[in-house]
Amino acid sequence: QVHLVQSGAEVKKPGASVKVSCKASGYIFTNYGFSWVRQAPGQGLEWMGWISAYNGNTNSEPKLQGRITLTTDSSTSTAYMELRGLRSDDTAVYYCARASGLIADYWGQGTLVTVSS
Amino acid sequence: DIQMTQSPSSLSASVGDRVTITCRASRGISNFLAWYQQKPGKVPKLLLSAASTLQSGVPSRFSGSGSGTDFTLTISSLQPEDVATYYCQKYNSDPLTFGPGTKVDIK
Repeated sequence: QVHLVQSGAEVKKPGASVKVSCKASGYIFTNYGFSWVRQAPGQGLEWMGWISAYNGNTNSEPKLQGRITLTTDSSTSTAYMELRGLRSDDTAVYYCARASGLIADYWGQGTLVTVSS
Repeated sequence: DIQMTQSPSSLSASVGDRVTITCRASRGISNFLAWYQQKPGKVPKLLLSAASTLQSGVPSRFSGSGSGTDFTLTISSLQPEDVATYYCQKYNSDPLTFGPGTKVDIK
């Protein structure tokens, strides 16, 4: 069965970077992509970006461009999301999701990233 | 960019009621629309894609319709386990914007 396991919670200072990992199992890694979605406390879902695990093509939310890097490592079936220049409003739960086409069909458990001085 | 809106923002209904949630795109997106359910404290779950295609394992009381700019998610008979926030998301082109969500609870 499809399983996505994300890295643990992080606490970062403003201006720092965070890199969240998402290890996939139960399917052929390069046949799908990954979407990254975040949810600030008490707020809705915000799409951050997408990466193809087949060829590394990416798209990202315009307001995050320049701060976000999405990568995959097929040797370990792991996707990564790095966000730089963290601000307090980046405090959120960050989710990876397997993208079937562009549809997020299976989700990781979420990673809480707290940005605080 | 195409904006997504949902109405109502919240609703309270009785067990067994028919519940309808509307999602609207600011420009046409054909049927490139998905619906997600997020129960309190839980991970979002895909319910429907292509506006009306029910995902495997999702109860048949959930259905979706629409094309272009206007879409609906219907729960034919609300159950206690359906208490959740429901989000639509467009996926015709990036950015893959989510709607703001509709919170459903039991009266």
